Amino acid sequence: RKEVEQDPGPFNVPEGATVAFNCTYSNSASQSFFWYRQDCRKEPKLLMSVYSSGNEDGRFTAQLNRASQYISLLIRDSKLSDSATYLCVVFRDDKIIFGKGTRLHILP
Amino acid sequence: EPEVTQTPSHQVTQMGQEVILRCVPISNHLYFYWYRQILGQKVEFLVSFYNNEISEKSEIFDDQFSVERPDGSNFTLKIRSTKLEDSAMYFCASSWEDTYEQYFGPGTRLTVT
Repeated sequence: RKEVEQDPGPFNVPEGATVAFNCTYSNSASQSFFWYRQDCRKEPKLLMSVYSSGNEDGRFTAQLNRASQYISLLIRDSKLSDSATYLCVVFRDDKIIFGKGTRLHILP
Repeated sequence: EPEVTQTPSHQVTQMGQEVILRCVPISNHLYFYWYRQILGQKVEFLVSFYNNEISEKSEIFDDQFSVERPDGSNFTLKIRSTKLEDSAMYFCASSWEDTYEQYFGPGTRLTVT
């Protein structure tokens, strides 16, 4: 089983819709969690950290469920500029593990 | 806004040659990282560096790789004898703490021919 798993997509979603991404991690000792976005042939850019209490930044909401070893990202009122690959990132014992990412296409 | 910079943006080299990829992390950051991403694949951790020494490295980071912080600003990745399979995008990143948010540079595309 991969340490960090994501649905590869692509998700094709009309502009304005709400989209949700899921990520599961296999090691319960994982310590910190993040969502990054990556545009084609560009560097990953930090989107948000993920906390057990859940956190929100504008249209983006991230949630962590340690019991189920599950992380989610919700994007509300999606925009064309949200089209990108969304990467789930897990820290454990000084190791940083990236998921393969979920591709999102927002359709006009 | 401070950012991580990397040079060169693209490096073409022949198999067996040595390359040095350069990075200037964000100035008050303490932790530095190198990653690679083969085209179409996921970002893979190579090495983390703190207090002038390697703090963690992956199985990919074998003896052909080395890192250095030769002065107060640069952080370099050396690949000693490049192979075709080293062709990838190499990203440098830095962070304030080791489990804190990382900021990535724009990457160096390495092409080994």
